Amino acid sequence: DAGITQSPRHKVTETGTPVTLRCHQTENHRYMYWYRQDPGHGLRLIHYSYGVKDTDKGEVSDGYSVSRSKTEDFLLTLESATSSQTSVYFCATTFNTGNTEAFFGQGTRLTVV
Amino acid sequence: LAKTTQPISMDSYEGQEVNITCSHNNIATNDYITWYQQFPSQGPRFIIQGYKTKVTNEVASLFIPADRKSSTLSLPRVSLSDTAVYYCLVGDRPAGTASKLTFGTGTRLQVTL
Repeated sequence: DAGITQSPRHKVTETGTPVTLRCHQTENHRYMYWYRQDPGHGLRLIHYSYGVKDTDKGEVSDGYSVSRSKTEDFLLTLESATSSQTSVYFCATTFNTGNTEAFFGQGTRLTVV
Repeated sequence: LAKTTQPISMDSYEGQEVNITCSHNNIATNDYITWYQQFPSQGPRFIIQGYKTKVTNEVASLFIPADRKSSTLSLPRVSLSDTAVYYCLVGDRPAGTASKLTFGTGTRLQVTL
């Protein structure tokens, strides 16, 4: 399996607090992605990165920001968590854009109370 | 954007062949078609990928007609452990940026005895 680690794996936080989720990869993949998964919605792309300091928005980016200061780490930040952001978050990486074989982390279950 | 359409759910008995079809009418010339499998509480896992005609591996076969506007994932002789959600994914690449890896809601396959 690709070396993709998400941390934390579980987190409970209060409404209004900032939260940062980390995705760490050891594969030297250029492209990284953050998704959220909710019942009935499948996987929805939040943000993605196509290189160090190069990021762009996905379909559900409101309320989220990302940073990628080095190849191996992609951080997702909820500046002020809301209950609607309670979800399972997955990080993924791909080597290049010639195909779409993505490798996923194990997910982070975030609960905002 | 190359959106995909799949059946929401399918049921099968153990030992049967299962075919899941995905529509992707707006597929671009350079896009590949990739299928993923997701078990509960896990990230999606790559199954198979193709560009045209037929691709087969130890897990599944992928059939792609000449117009590439659809594809069919074929799972031979399914078992209970094949119960999962299956996603069809088509590379979506705005010029100059990475594939956005847009997932749909997937097909929930339920295999029973």
